[in-house]
Amino acid sequence: NAGVMQNPRHLVRRRGQEARLRCSPMKGHSHVYWYRQLPEEGLKFMVYLQKENIIDESGMPKERFSAEFPKEGPSILRIQQVVRGDSAAYFCASSPTSGARDTQYFGPGTRLTVL
Amino acid sequence: SQQGEEDPQALSIQEGENATMNCSYKTSINNLQWYRQNSGRGLVHLILIRSNEREKHSGRLRVTLDTSKKSSSLLITASRAADTASYFCATWGGSEKLVFGKGTKLTVNP
Repeated sequence: NAGVMQNPRHLVRRRGQEARLRCSPMKGHSHVYWYRQLPEEGLKFMVYLQKENIIDESGMPKERFSAEFPKEGPSILRIQQVVRGDSAAYFCASSPTSGARDTQYFGPGTRLTVL
Repeated sequence: SQQGEEDPQALSIQEGENATMNCSYKTSINNLQWYRQNSGRGLVHLILIRSNEREKHSGRLRVTLDTSKKSSSLLITASRAADTASYFCATWGGSEKLVFGKGTKLTVNP
């Protein structure tokens, strides 16, 4: 059973460009979470999705950021018009059930660098 | 808002010694989880302890939870150089997200 897959692993964008980060959850998991980690910091929750639904986006900036988890295909975190402050590691996690009552399995992360 | 906060921020020990890391949080929780992160890598789940549990073991790991003090500790016994990593506690209070602390950076010197 493959783990959580994220791609790309590294992404470089210039200010004003768009960044698209992809996450494929573990097989059988229908709950996906996105977290952001700034250097020397812990992870901060951004958004929680189930298939075709955003359940909790309380950690997501109101502008430029969006997330989706379509019926088919990976979950996508999109950042429009990136700024230098968006440089961070973005982690996706999945779980078979809702909430964090059980283990969330994390992917290797996408490291975004904005020039 | 509830937040796990680990201490110390950094810990350096010799191989074979025990390493103890602490985590404090602010509000009531359903469970507390510990994760390890090697430099530049993703998170690896180590152990989950539920609010009605006081102690849990997994191999060389021992986790305690004191809900009256809102604190948890992670003990790694007989440490190895490969244990060098950052360790995070994360709490779940019933919402749909984990709340992470800033982590303890552990260095085990050979």
